[in-house]
Amino acid sequence: EVQLVESGGGLVQPGRSLRLSCAASGFTFDDYAMHWVRQAPGKGLEWVSGISWNSGSIGYADSVKGRFTISRDNAKNSLYLQMNSLRAEDTALYYCAKDGVYDFWSGGPDYWGQGTLVTVSS
Amino acid sequence: SYELTQPPSVSVSPGQTARITCSGDALPKKYAYWYQQKSGQAPVLVIYEDSKRPSGIPERFSGSSSGTMATLTISGAQVEDEADYYCYSTDSSGNHRGVFGGGTKLTVL
Repeated sequence: EVQLVESGGGLVQPGRSLRLSCAASGFTFDDYAMHWVRQAPGKGLEWVSGISWNSGSIGYADSVKGRFTISRDNAKNSLYLQMNSLRAEDTALYYCAKDGVYDFWSGGPDYWGQGTLVTVSS
Repeated sequence: SYELTQPPSVSVSPGQTARITCSGDALPKKYAYWYQQKSGQAPVLVIYEDSKRPSGIPERFSGSSSGTMATLTISGAQVEDEADYYCYSTDSSGNHRGVFGGGTKLTVL
């Protein structure tokens, strides 16, 4: 059974940093691309970032490019999102999602975690 | 930037067919994926690669794509199908980005 468990969310002041983690199990982690997707309160889904199976290809939404960094550690079956220079508009539930293929731009998410809440407020 | 457009809402009576559309310039080249999200829950994949149904998803869910429009069809919609539905695809311009449609609220009553 595929399991994705996010952690690292919380309340943070504007301009500060936060690192999210996603622990994966139930599948061969290094065979698949991974994504971060967020959902602001009462709003729709927003794709944040994707990373290919071997970290060889990475992409970001314009709204986070230059501030957020996605990474993965295949030895630890883990996905990360380093979020710097946080803004109020980054407040959202952040989901970790597994792709169905090895490259994040040729497939789509097939399994999702339950999310971790990030609140950016002074 | 690349966008996918969905109608904000669709309403049907139980047993009727619900159709939710998703339009995007890259859809002739890129697959569409569809997700169901019920209140307070994580999204669930209901259709992948335009028309394939994951195991465990009822047969009443189907997908199709033609030109710049993908369509999710729920044949004989049930009350339990009431949820938000999102399409997803990727940019074909080489930017390597994913994108979600704005979501469609399906009401079945």
